[in-house]
Amino acid sequence: NAGVTQTPKFQVLKTGQSMTLQCAQDMNHNSMYWYRQDPGMGLRLIYYSASEGTTDKGEVPNGYNVSRLNKREFSLRLESAAPSQTSVYFCAASYEQYFGPGTRLTVT
Amino acid sequence: QKEVEQNSGPLSVPEGAIASLNCTYSDRGSQSFFWYRQYSGKSPELIMFIYSNGDKEDGRFTAQLNKASQYVSLLIRDSQPSDSATYLCAVNDAGKSTFGDGTTLTVKP
Repeated sequence: NAGVTQTPKFQVLKTGQSMTLQCAQDMNHNSMYWYRQDPGMGLRLIYYSASEGTTDKGEVPNGYNVSRLNKREFSLRLESAAPSQTSVYFCAASYEQYFGPGTRLTVT
Repeated sequence: QKEVEQNSGPLSVPEGAIASLNCTYSDRGSQSFFWYRQYSGKSPELIMFIYSNGDKEDGRFTAQLNKASQYVSLLIRDSQPSDSATYLCAVNDAGKSTFGDGTTLTVKP
């Protein structure tokens, strides 16, 4: 039982490149979330999905898109990466927020 | 004004002491309140949640909620060096959580 998994663990992108961060949960929770965490700061909500087939913007959605592929999977896409998107990205599942291990993204 | 404010750290306590972590929030409609622990370089992990006014105890941890004062706290009794981490307060309204910036706790042997 892995809980919440994220891939990749690390990624370096050049400005303008695109990529998709993957998240999957095996806990059968309806809600899933994407956060970013910048150094010395708390978590800021990018997008969330209250249930399969629905997505909503959070506090900092600009520059990101999401897909809730099914109940298990919730992906985050950066269409044209910018240095300001350098951060650690966490996916979470459930109202209580069980977090994945994170993806450390650097945009040069 | 940030929606969720945590007491500025870092906080240092000796081993065996009580550590007190505080959090205030601005949205009176907030319904549920969470405390997470985050070790350096790791993801946050849920310690406790509280929905009703009063105290909730789980082992060495006690969460306290006062909705009238818009205040939630976490007490850690008999602090251990392994409790050294950043503690994040989160306030949830309608399924969306807002996090504070965290308070870093160091427990000195």
